[in-house]
Amino acid sequence: KQEVTQIPAALSVPEGENLVLNCSFTDSAIYNLQWFRQDPGKGLTSLLLIQSSQREQTSGRLNASLDKSSGRSTLYIAASQPGDSATYLCAVKISSGSARQLTFGSGTQLTVLP
Amino acid sequence: DTGVSQDPRHKITKRGQNVTFRCDPISEHNRLYWYRQTLGQGPEFLTYFQNEAQLEKSRLLSDRFSAERPKGSFSTLEIQRTEQGDSAMYLCASSYRDKSTDTQYFGPGTRLTVL
Repeated sequence: KQEVTQIPAALSVPEGENLVLNCSFTDSAIYNLQWFRQDPGKGLTSLLLIQSSQREQTSGRLNASLDKSSGRSTLYIAASQPGDSATYLCAVKISSGSARQLTFGSGTQLTVLP
Repeated sequence: DTGVSQDPRHKITKRGQNVTFRCDPISEHNRLYWYRQTLGQGPEFLTYFQNEAQLEKSRLLSDRFSAERPKGSFSTLEIQRTEQGDSAMYLCASSYRDKSTDTQYFGPGTRLTVL
């Protein structure tokens, strides 16, 4: 059974810092990995999706990397802003069988202090 | 394209009552998913439709839960005889299988509180 872990559970940084969020998964046979942002009481917004054949994806100040062999992904946020404060979730889709669902980690709650 | 919508956004009910939630996916998406999220946790998969066919159900989906997608467009999730443990955010997502991504797009969720 695929398990996804995110460390740390919470992170507080001053505005302007660069930061890294970590995600690990137990089964390397993944189809893709997605990073989401969730604001309090809201749904999920997709930030980046990395296919299993890719090593990284970039969007603006965000860069996500994937190392399938070690079962790890990182989300790098450059020059953090108070508006980046949210919970960041990573999710993997497995590649075997007919399963199409995402398996999520518990998230990292990020607070960027002005 | 207005994104995935869910209705209602909030529902408060008494234990033992039945509730029904609706999800309208992005119009051209043929896949629809339901997830449940409790406080401080990531979403957990409940069930998945491809067009009108329910292809997969999680063990979390007890016999009190039923989901339908009768015409392959909107979907409903019904919970019968609600229990306090059913209190959670219920999220719907949709996707369209293309060659590269099959990215899931999520709705705003329905927050259920069972008193």
